[in-house]
Amino acid sequence: GENVEQHPSTLSVQEGDSAVIKCTYSDSASNYFPWYKQELGKGPQLIIDIRSNVGEKKDQRIAVTLNKTAKHFSLHITETQPEDSAVYFCAASQNQFYFGTGTSLTVIP
Amino acid sequence: EPEVTQTPSHQVTQMGQEVILRCVPISNHLYFYWYRQILGQKVEFLVSFYNNEISEKSEIFDDQFSVERPDGSNFTLKIRSTKLEDSAMYFCASSLARRDEKLFFGSGTQLSVL
Repeated sequence: GENVEQHPSTLSVQEGDSAVIKCTYSDSASNYFPWYKQELGKGPQLIIDIRSNVGEKKDQRIAVTLNKTAKHFSLHITETQPEDSAVYFCAASQNQFYFGTGTSLTVIP
Repeated sequence: EPEVTQTPSHQVTQMGQEVILRCVPISNHLYFYWYRQILGQKVEFLVSFYNNEISEKSEIFDDQFSVERPDGSNFTLKIRSTKLEDSAMYFCASSLARRDEKLFFGSGTQLSVL
């Protein structure tokens, strides 16, 4: 089955700096790669997603890149703000979602 | 904005007892899911449900687990005889269509088995 690895497990950045979270996957048949943000006491919320026919997608301060050949995809958050502090999960999906272990992002004011 | 709601937010039970976790998916969604997250581990797929039947299930979803859509709005997960290792956060999710693949999660039920 699919195996998704996510790094780093924790990340601290200064407000205004960029944050990058990376994931790798093993199954080349996976074709959908969402990113979820989980705030304390809440369920994961979809923040951005990308499909395998696209290499990059951007939504304001958030962008995701996908390298299908290398089987890795990354989340980029620019101009980070304290409210970006949360746990971020990547996932890879073909017929079923496989999640990474999560990255706890702390943005220091 | 429509959301998936789950009750209770916390459930404490004794080993061997039955628990029912409840979810109300987004009203026009057709696919429903249960996931669980053991503390410090990955979010794991349990089961998907469509058209009043299970469409997929993982190895975790053994005979102790069952799901039901008892009416037009609720979606439940039952664990018949809880074990210590069932302690986890259980998330319900729904999606409009399988191909859409955009999952919307509830805020979870923290199950503690003592």
